[in-house]
Amino acid sequence: AQSVSQHNHHVILSEAASLELGCNYSYGGTVNLFWYVQYPGQHLQLLLKYFSGDPLVKGIKGFEAEFIKSKFSFNLRKPSVQWSDTAEYFCAVIVSGSARQLTFGSGTQLTVLP
Amino acid sequence: KAGVTQTPRYLIKTRGQQVTLSCSPISGHRSVSWYQQTPGQGLQFLFEYFSETQRNKGNFPGRFSGRQFSNSRSEMNVSTLELGDSALYLCASSLVPGPNQPQHFGDGTRLSIL
Repeated sequence: AQSVSQHNHHVILSEAASLELGCNYSYGGTVNLFWYVQYPGQHLQLLLKYFSGDPLVKGIKGFEAEFIKSKFSFNLRKPSVQWSDTAEYFCAVIVSGSARQLTFGSGTQLTVLP
Repeated sequence: KAGVTQTPRYLIKTRGQQVTLSCSPISGHRSVSWYQQTPGQGLQFLFEYFSETQRNKGNFPGRFSGRQFSNSRSEMNVSTLELGDSALYLCASSLVPGPNQPQHFGDGTRLSIL
């Protein structure tokens, strides 16, 4: 079964710092990859997704992620974070062609200091 | 367009009782999935329903069950509640099943077992 690893449990940054959150998955076949964000007191929202094509995916609010198949990674990046980016970020994967089961990573809590 | 609606938002039960949680998907969405979110285990897939049929099931005991109605609304039932069932239960909907269909999440039902 596939699994997703997010090695950073809590990241603390100052405003305007650059962000990179790591995500690695364990499955050798074709996967669809997602990043979700959960702002304090709000529901999970889709940040961006990768199905195929250009491995550099742009999402909402200036976020982007790069799919590197050889490294089984889908890291999330943002050049300059804002206080409003404080949230928990979840990486998730679905094996393409399989039954529908999103497998989530354990999440990374991002705190941006003003 | 209204989002995914879950009721109730909060619930307190005691061990041994049973509970039913409700989920109304986004209008037009016919696939509903349920997830359990806990601090220790993160987000874990429970099951998915489409056309009133369970299409996929996660690794949870038989005490966890669900169903879907003809209007796509879904209910989840947990019988013989245990302390470890305390969690946030999330419902997600999509137009149809499939790995290319992003899921939209509700705010969740927070279940506390005393």
